[in-house]
Amino acid sequence: DAKTTQPPSMDCAEGRAANLPCNHSTISGNEYVYWYRQIHSQGPQYIIHGLKNNETNEMASLIITEDRKSSTLILPHATLRDTAVYYCIVRVNTNAGKSTFGDGTTLTVKP
Amino acid sequence: NAGVMQNPRHLVRRRGQEARLRCSPMKGHSHVYWYRQLPEEGLKFMVYLQKENIIDESGMPKERFSAEFPKEGPSILRIQQVVRGDSAAYFCASSPLDSFNSPLHFGNGTRLTVT
Repeated sequence: DAKTTQPPSMDCAEGRAANLPCNHSTISGNEYVYWYRQIHSQGPQYIIHGLKNNETNEMASLIITEDRKSSTLILPHATLRDTAVYYCIVRVNTNAGKSTFGDGTTLTVKP
Repeated sequence: NAGVMQNPRHLVRRRGQEARLRCSPMKGHSHVYWYRQLPEEGLKFMVYLQKENIIDESGMPKERFSAEFPKEGPSILRIQQVVRGDSAAYFCASSPLDSFNSPLHFGNGTRLTVT
């Protein structure tokens, strides 16, 4: 699986959009980009995934650049409950669980 | 529709005892994955199972650790003769397919403390 690079931490004001970047410059053509988050002491929560088109669901939007070497997770109106560690991973192989969860980005939403 | 259920949530064992962690996947999911998370660290893959089969155990220590996912009942992660270094949060995830277009659904983990 391709390696991903994320900033270690970010802050965001409550009510504002949170934009979390992820670099995956070695991504292959059939690798999906996945985002999960882990709120303190809980299990990781799936947020969204995509291959090459931008995606949106009730939680977030995922913007993937045309060359697919980077992506941005957008939380449109961050709340205090969105404070968590956000993981960006890419996956191609079978054994979905073997994808590497790196250190992620710790997002702190401030009032 | 219940999510992935793990129990117990907290488990305390003395050094040398056995720890048994259980995971019931979401309904309709036949693929189960176990992870370990040490304090202040990321998730590390341990083992991937389908019903009655271990598919990939490359992340699981060769000694003292074993996993199963029987035809009936939950998946079990077993740690024999626990040591202090086994203290961690153990998470289970499930998916309906082993496909790169199929997200994982996680339980809330079992926190093992070895005294």
